[in-house]
Order: sequence, then structure tokens, then C-alpha cells
Amino acid sequence: AQKVTQAQTEISVVEKEDVTLDCVYETRDTTYYLFWYKQPPSGELVFLIRRNSFDEQNEISGRYSWNFQKSTSSFNFTITASQVVDSAVYFCALHQFSGTYKYIFGTGTRLKVLA
Amino acid sequence: GAVVSQHPSWVICKSGTSVKIECRSLDFQATTMFWYRQFPKQSLMLMATSNEGSKATYEQGVEKDKFLINHASLTLSTLTVTSAHPEDSSFYICSAWTEAFFGQGTRLTVV
Repeated sequence: AQKVTQAQTEISVVEKEDVTLDCVYETRDTTYYLFWYKQPPSGELVFLIRRNSFDEQNEISGRYSWNFQKSTSSFNFTITASQVVDSAVYFCALHQFSGTYKYIFGTGTRLKVLA
Repeated sequence: GAVVSQHPSWVICKSGTSVKIECRSLDFQATTMFWYRQFPKQSLMLMATSNEGSKATYEQGVEKDKFLINHASLTLSTLTVTSAHPEDSSFYICSAWTEAFFGQGTRLTVV
């Protein structure tokens, strides 16, 4: 079975704090992609990162960083020095190459950054 | 980069009417597109997979006759909500799998 779990429903932090959003996935496939998307109040999904299952290197992009660990089936996302503009819902997603190529989304984590 | 454009971004319609939502891939060909529905404060639920030149594949529980999907070209897929009712009010969003990009979404309100 394939599944994406985002156990944190909502997180509130004060501006400039660091925050980590957790994502745990389940899949039997050896080849897959993992994604993070940001959904601001406007509703559009903003692509943040795609990581394939063979690349476990951590990635940093500005204040964003991602930690991919296949051993624990996790793909966590950290925002450093959070800002009010980071307030949004963040979704983790799994894209498999077997079957119907569907995306499987987690339930999302609502991040509130308070000034 | 790849862009998926969805139109309209929002629509209000009367109960009983039909509404068509378009999803276009602007700079690439998309043989497969996905349609999702999102209820307030919930995750995205896959409704159907749209395949160019063939019938869409619907997820369990999604009414094919209610949500008509047409993928007549490699750059356009349409979702028609037929005989819309207030319970169809939702946020609908499409994506093209080749580049993992999503349209801007359509907020449908049925009054």
C-alpha cells in the first residue's frame, strides 16, 4: 500500500524560529519521487522540491532544507528563520512509477508564523 | 519552465447548470493529466486521470456522469461538472504528470 503521513496538522511558530515539517511515506516501489508543495491562502499549489528515490542527498535552497532518509521512509522539510510569508499549508506527496502514476498526497500541515 | 494553466480561477453558478473547467499545458505536451478536488482544510483527492485520446480513469466513488472529463488534445483537458449542486462546491485543481506542476485551481461555488 502507498501512503503519505503528515502527522502535524497545524504548527504555530514565532517569526525567526526554525520549524520542521515531518513527512513519512509508505511504498513498495523502489523507484518513486517525493515532493513538497506550498499552498498559500490563494489556493494554488507551489512546487518546492522533487526528489527521486535514488538520491538521498539533503538539499538546501535558501531558508529551505530537506532531509530524505530512506531508512526511516521520511522526507522532512525545515524552514530556517521563518517569516510571516511562510504561513501556508504544506503538502508532502509521493509519485510512483508503477500502476497508474498517481500522486498520493499527505493531509497537509498548516504552518502559522506569527509576527 | 513548464506551466499548467487552469481557467477559470473561480466561478459561481446556479444549481442545475453545468460548468466547464479547462486545464492547459502551455509549453509541453501532456498525454496524462490529473484532476483533484479539495474540500476546505483538507488534502487533495484524486478524482480522475485524464488520458489524451481515450477515456478518463475515475477513482472509486467519483461519478463519471457528473464529472465529465475530455482530453481531446495533448495540451488541453477539460472537466465539466454537470447539473451542479451546492455539494459540488469545492476547489478543483489539475496537474500534468510529466513535470509535476499544477494549475492555479478553480474555486467553484454553486448557489
